[in-house]
Amino acid sequence: GAVVSQHPSWVICKSGTSVKIECRSLDFQATTMFWYRQFPKQSLMLMATSNEGSKATYEQGVEKDKFLINHASLTLSTLTVTSAHPEDSSFYICSARDTGGRYEQYFGPGTRLTVT
Amino acid sequence: DAKTTQPTSMDCAEGRAANLPCNHSTISGNEYVYWYRQIHSQGPQYIIHGLKNNETNEMASLIITEDRKSSTLILPHATLRDTAVYYCIVRRSNQAGTALIFGKGTTLSVSS
Repeated sequence: GAVVSQHPSWVICKSGTSVKIECRSLDFQATTMFWYRQFPKQSLMLMATSNEGSKATYEQGVEKDKFLINHASLTLSTLTVTSAHPEDSSFYICSARDTGGRYEQYFGPGTRLTVT
Repeated sequence: DAKTTQPTSMDCAEGRAANLPCNHSTISGNEYVYWYRQIHSQGPQYIIHGLKNNETNEMASLIITEDRKSSTLILPHATLRDTAVYYCIVRRSNQAGTALIFGKGTTLSVSS
Protein backbone atom coordinates (compact mmCIF):
# COMPACT_ATOMS: atom_id res chain seq x y z
CA GLY A 1 0.00 0.00 0.00
CA ALA A 2 0.90 3.65 -0.32
CA VAL A 3 3.23 5.03 2.33
CA VAL A 4 3.37 8.51 3.79
CA SER A 5 6.24 9.45 6.07
CA GLN A 6 6.67 12.34 8.47
CA HIS A 7 9.79 13.80 9.97
CA PRO A 8 10.48 14.24 12.77
CA SER A 9 8.28 11.81 14.67
CA TRP A 10 8.59 13.94 17.76
CA VAL A 11 10.15 17.28 18.59
CA ILE A 12 10.57 19.45 21.66
CA CYS A 13 11.20 23.13 21.14
CA LYS A 14 11.35 26.27 23.23
CA SER A 15 8.62 28.86 23.17
CA GLY A 16 9.21 31.46 20.46
CA THR A 17 11.15 29.23 18.12
CA SER A 18 9.99 27.74 14.82
CA VAL A 19 9.63 24.09 13.94
CA LYS A 20 9.38 22.49 10.49
CA ILE A 21 7.59 19.19 9.92
CA GLU A 22 8.03 17.30 6.66
CA CYS A 23 5.46 15.06 5.00
CA ARG A 24 6.50 12.82 2.12
CA SER A 25 4.63 10.42 -0.11
CA LEU A 26 7.15 7.63 -0.64
CA ASP A 27 5.74 5.57 -3.48
CA PHE A 28 3.19 7.78 -5.16
CA GLN A 29 2.68 11.32 -6.30
CA ALA A 30 0.37 13.58 -4.37
CA THR A 31 -0.96 16.76 -5.91
CA THR A 32 -2.87 17.39 -2.71
CA MET A 33 -1.80 16.87 0.87
CA PHE A 34 -3.68 17.67 4.04
CA TRP A 35 -2.54 18.75 7.49
CA TYR A 36 -4.42 17.84 10.65
CA ARG A 37 -3.92 18.58 14.32
CA GLN A 38 -5.04 16.39 17.18
CA PHE A 39 -5.17 17.34 20.83
CA PRO A 40 -5.29 14.66 23.55
CA LYS A 41 -8.51 12.65 23.63
CA GLN A 42 -9.91 14.58 20.67
CA SER A 43 -10.49 13.76 17.04
CA LEU A 44 -8.42 14.98 14.13
CA MET A 45 -9.06 18.57 13.11
CA LEU A 46 -8.28 19.63 9.57
CA MET A 47 -5.91 22.60 9.49
CA ALA A 48 -5.23 23.13 5.82
CA THR A 49 -5.17 21.70 2.34
CA SER A 50 -1.87 21.87 0.52
CA ASN A 51 -1.75 21.88 -3.26
CA GLU A 52 1.47 21.40 -5.18
CA GLY A 53 2.67 24.64 -6.69
CA SER A 54 -0.01 26.85 -5.17
CA LYS A 55 -0.99 28.44 -1.89
CA ALA A 56 -2.50 26.33 0.83
CA THR A 57 -6.13 26.66 1.82
CA TYR A 58 -6.57 27.10 5.55
CA GLU A 59 -9.57 26.14 7.64
CA GLN A 60 -11.40 28.79 9.57
CA GLY A 61 -9.58 29.72 12.73
CA VAL A 62 -6.17 28.49 11.59
CA GLU A 63 -3.63 31.29 11.32
CA LYS A 64 -1.90 31.07 7.97
CA ASP A 65 0.99 33.29 9.12
CA LYS A 66 1.64 31.02 12.06
CA PHE A 67 1.33 27.69 10.29
CA LEU A 68 3.28 28.04 7.05
CA ILE A 69 2.68 25.34 4.49
CA ASN A 70 4.82 24.71 1.44
CA HIS A 71 4.12 22.03 -1.16
CA ALA A 72 7.03 22.41 -3.54
CA SER A 73 6.94 19.00 -5.16
CA LEU A 74 4.56 16.14 -5.81
CA THR A 75 6.04 14.15 -2.95
CA LEU A 76 6.80 16.73 -0.25
CA SER A 77 4.80 19.15 1.84
CA THR A 78 6.13 21.00 4.87
CA LEU A 79 4.39 22.61 7.83
CA THR A 80 6.31 25.23 9.76
CA VAL A 81 4.99 26.28 13.14
CA THR A 82 6.37 29.76 13.63
CA SER A 83 6.91 31.40 17.01
CA ALA A 84 5.63 28.30 18.74
CA HIS A 85 3.85 28.57 22.07
CA PRO A 86 2.89 25.87 24.58
CA GLU A 87 -0.68 25.86 23.26
CA ASP A 88 0.68 24.71 19.89
CA SER A 89 1.78 21.47 21.52
CA SER A 90 -0.15 18.80 19.69
CA PHE A 91 0.00 15.78 17.42
CA TYR A 92 0.33 16.91 13.79
CA ILE A 93 -0.67 14.47 11.08
CA CYS A 94 -0.42 14.80 7.33
CA SER A 95 -2.20 12.83 4.67
CA ALA A 96 -1.98 12.55 0.92
CA ARG A 97 -4.18 11.36 -1.87
CA ASP A 98 -2.68 9.27 -4.61
CA THR A 99 -3.34 11.16 -7.82
CA GLY A 100 -2.86 7.96 -9.76
CA GLY A 101 -6.55 7.20 -9.64
CA ARG A 102 -7.22 5.70 -6.23
CA TYR A 103 -9.49 7.53 -3.85
CA GLU A 104 -8.13 6.55 -0.49
CA GLN A 105 -6.27 9.05 1.63
CA TYR A 106 -3.10 7.78 3.21
CA PHE A 107 -1.91 9.16 6.50
CA GLY A 108 1.52 9.73 7.93
CA PRO A 109 2.49 8.43 11.37
CA GLY A 110 2.20 11.86 12.94
CA THR A 111 4.59 14.27 14.65
CA ARG A 112 4.35 14.96 18.35
CA LEU A 113 5.25 18.60 19.04
CA THR A 114 5.93 19.75 22.58
CA VAL A 115 6.62 23.42 23.17
CA THR A 116 8.21 24.26 26.50
CA ASP B 1 -21.36 15.47 3.47
CA ALA B 2 -23.84 13.34 5.36
CA LYS B 3 -23.45 13.20 9.12
CA THR B 4 -22.57 9.91 10.77
CA THR B 5 -23.43 8.61 14.23
CA GLN B 6 -21.32 6.00 16.00
CA PRO B 7 -21.38 4.62 19.54
CA THR B 8 -18.74 6.20 21.73
CA SER B 9 -17.18 2.93 22.80
CA MET B 10 -17.42 -0.83 22.44
CA ASP B 11 -15.76 -3.84 23.99
CA CYS B 12 -14.87 -7.11 22.31
CA ALA B 13 -13.24 -10.32 23.47
CA GLU B 14 -10.13 -11.40 21.64
CA GLY B 15 -10.92 -13.88 18.90
CA ARG B 16 -14.53 -12.86 18.60
CA ALA B 17 -16.02 -10.80 15.80
CA ALA B 18 -16.21 -7.06 16.39
CA ASN B 19 -19.24 -5.43 14.78
CA LEU B 20 -19.04 -1.66 14.68
CA PRO B 21 -22.23 0.15 13.62
CA CYS B 22 -22.57 3.48 11.89
CA ASN B 23 -25.72 5.42 11.11
CA HIS B 24 -25.78 7.73 8.11
CA SER B 25 -29.49 8.26 7.54
CA THR B 26 -29.02 11.36 5.35
CA ILE B 27 -26.60 9.71 2.94
CA SER B 28 -27.19 10.56 -0.70
CA GLY B 29 -26.83 8.37 -3.76
CA ASN B 30 -23.31 9.37 -4.72
CA GLU B 31 -21.81 9.21 -1.23
CA TYR B 32 -19.40 6.50 -0.22
CA VAL B 33 -18.93 5.08 3.27
CA TYR B 34 -15.30 5.01 4.42
CA TRP B 35 -13.83 3.41 7.51
CA TYR B 36 -10.52 4.38 9.06
CA ARG B 37 -9.00 3.50 12.39
CA GLN B 38 -6.43 5.18 14.58
CA ILE B 39 -4.30 3.23 16.96
CA HIS B 40 -3.05 5.29 19.86
CA SER B 41 -0.42 7.88 18.87
CA GLN B 42 -0.39 6.83 15.23
CA GLY B 43 -1.85 8.24 12.03
CA PRO B 44 -5.21 6.94 10.82
CA GLN B 45 -5.19 3.76 8.76
CA TYR B 46 -7.54 3.11 5.86
CA ILE B 47 -9.67 0.01 6.34
CA ILE B 48 -12.34 -0.22 3.68
CA HIS B 49 -14.92 1.75 1.75
CA GLY B 50 -18.10 1.02 -0.20
CA LEU B 51 -21.02 2.54 -2.04
CA LYS B 52 -23.91 0.09 -1.77
CA ASN B 53 -22.60 -3.43 -2.16
CA ASN B 54 -21.00 -5.28 0.72
CA GLU B 55 -17.23 -5.22 0.58
CA THR B 56 -14.53 -7.44 2.02
CA ASN B 57 -10.79 -7.17 2.14
CA GLU B 58 -7.99 -8.68 4.17
CA MET B 59 -8.74 -6.43 7.12
CA ALA B 60 -12.50 -6.33 7.42
CA SER B 61 -15.94 -6.60 5.88
CA LEU B 62 -18.33 -3.73 5.30
CA ILE B 63 -22.04 -4.43 5.33
CA ILE B 64 -24.26 -1.64 4.02
CA THR B 65 -28.02 -1.89 4.47
CA GLU B 66 -30.20 -1.90 1.39
CA ASP B 67 -31.49 1.61 2.12
CA ARG B 68 -27.86 2.69 2.78
CA LYS B 69 -28.87 4.47 5.96
CA SER B 70 -26.53 2.44 8.09
CA SER B 71 -23.52 0.19 7.83
CA THR B 72 -21.50 -2.20 9.96
CA LEU B 73 -17.77 -2.76 9.95
CA ILE B 74 -16.90 -6.33 10.88
CA LEU B 75 -13.53 -7.43 12.17
CA PRO B 76 -14.01 -11.20 11.97
CA HIS B 77 -11.48 -12.27 14.60
CA ALA B 78 -10.51 -9.32 16.75
CA THR B 79 -7.04 -9.24 18.28
CA LEU B 80 -5.53 -7.00 20.93
CA ARG B 81 -3.87 -5.03 18.12
CA ASP B 82 -7.31 -4.04 16.84
CA THR B 83 -7.82 -1.82 19.88
CA ALA B 84 -8.24 1.61 18.31
CA VAL B 85 -10.64 4.44 17.51
CA TYR B 86 -12.71 3.56 14.44
CA TYR B 87 -14.08 6.33 12.25
CA CYS B 88 -16.98 6.03 9.84
CA ILE B 89 -16.93 8.83 7.24
CA VAL B 90 -19.32 9.56 4.41
CA ARG B 91 -18.09 11.43 1.36
CA ARG B 92 -19.18 12.12 -2.19
CA SER B 93 -17.34 10.37 -4.98
CA ASN B 94 -16.36 13.68 -6.55
CA GLN B 95 -14.71 14.85 -3.36
CA ALA B 96 -11.71 12.59 -3.65
CA GLY B 97 -9.54 15.69 -3.76
CA THR B 98 -10.90 17.09 -0.52
CA ALA B 99 -9.94 16.21 3.02
CA LEU B 100 -11.63 13.58 5.13
CA ILE B 101 -13.51 15.11 8.01
CA PHE B 102 -13.36 13.06 11.19
CA GLY B 103 -16.06 12.76 13.82
CA LYS B 104 -15.50 11.34 17.28
CA GLY B 105 -15.50 7.69 16.20
CA THR B 106 -15.92 4.53 18.26
CA THR B 107 -13.24 3.45 20.70
CA LEU B 108 -12.97 -0.32 20.38
CA SER B 109 -11.30 -2.10 23.27
CA VAL B 110 -10.30 -5.71 22.64
CA SER B 111 -9.43 -7.70 25.72
CA SER B 112 -8.14 -11.18 26.36
